[in-house]
Amino acid sequence: GDSVTQMEGPVTLSEEAFLTINCTYTATGYPSLFWYVQYPGEGLQLLLKATKADDKGSNKGFEATYRKETTSFHLEKGSVQVSDSAVYFCALTEGGDDKIIFGKGTRLHILP
Amino acid sequence: NAGVTQTPKFQVLKTGQSMTLQCAQDMNHEYMSWYRQDPGMGLRLIHYSVGAGITDQGEVPNGYNVSRSTTEDFPLRLLSAAPSQTSVYFCASSSLRTSGINEQFFGPGTRLTVL
Repeated sequence: GDSVTQMEGPVTLSEEAFLTINCTYTATGYPSLFWYVQYPGEGLQLLLKATKADDKGSNKGFEATYRKETTSFHLEKGSVQVSDSAVYFCALTEGGDDKIIFGKGTRLHILP
Repeated sequence: NAGVTQTPKFQVLKTGQSMTLQCAQDMNHEYMSWYRQDPGMGLRLIHYSVGAGITDQGEVPNGYNVSRSTTEDFPLRLLSAAPSQTSVYFCASSSLRTSGINEQFFGPGTRLTVL
């Protein structure tokens, strides 16, 4: 079945550092890919998405490119801020399926 | 738009008690779902619905019931609470496309403790 694997955390970085959170997937068809972010005490919210190969999603300085050849959707940000401290979830959905598959989440700590 | 609302925000139950977690959305979304979030386990799907009158089981349905009598509401019922159901519960909704579930909108969560 479909699955999402993302790097385990926690990831701890200093402010202004470069961030990469790895995400790889397995799917039978052509999934849509998502990154969600969960700030402390809140529900998840969509950060960015890509619906076809080579699409780049971007939002709030974060980017991720849909790489079909490597089945990956890595999240990157050039200069993180303390306010980026949160849990990040990679996810996928497929046409004809009624479920969204989430990775286990990666907790990110940014130190001032 | 209020988006997805959940009540209550916090709840403490004794083992064996029953309760209903409420979820409502005002975006006319076909798809609604319930997740539980436990430390180190990510999100696990409990039940979901693709429209009024239609519900289906997710990954961890045991001990929970749902119904979908209207598009807006999707309550989650615990018939006989157990300590293993201590968790944070999230309701989510989204529109449906031929390419799959669209962006999910999450409620703020209900933190449930079963003693």
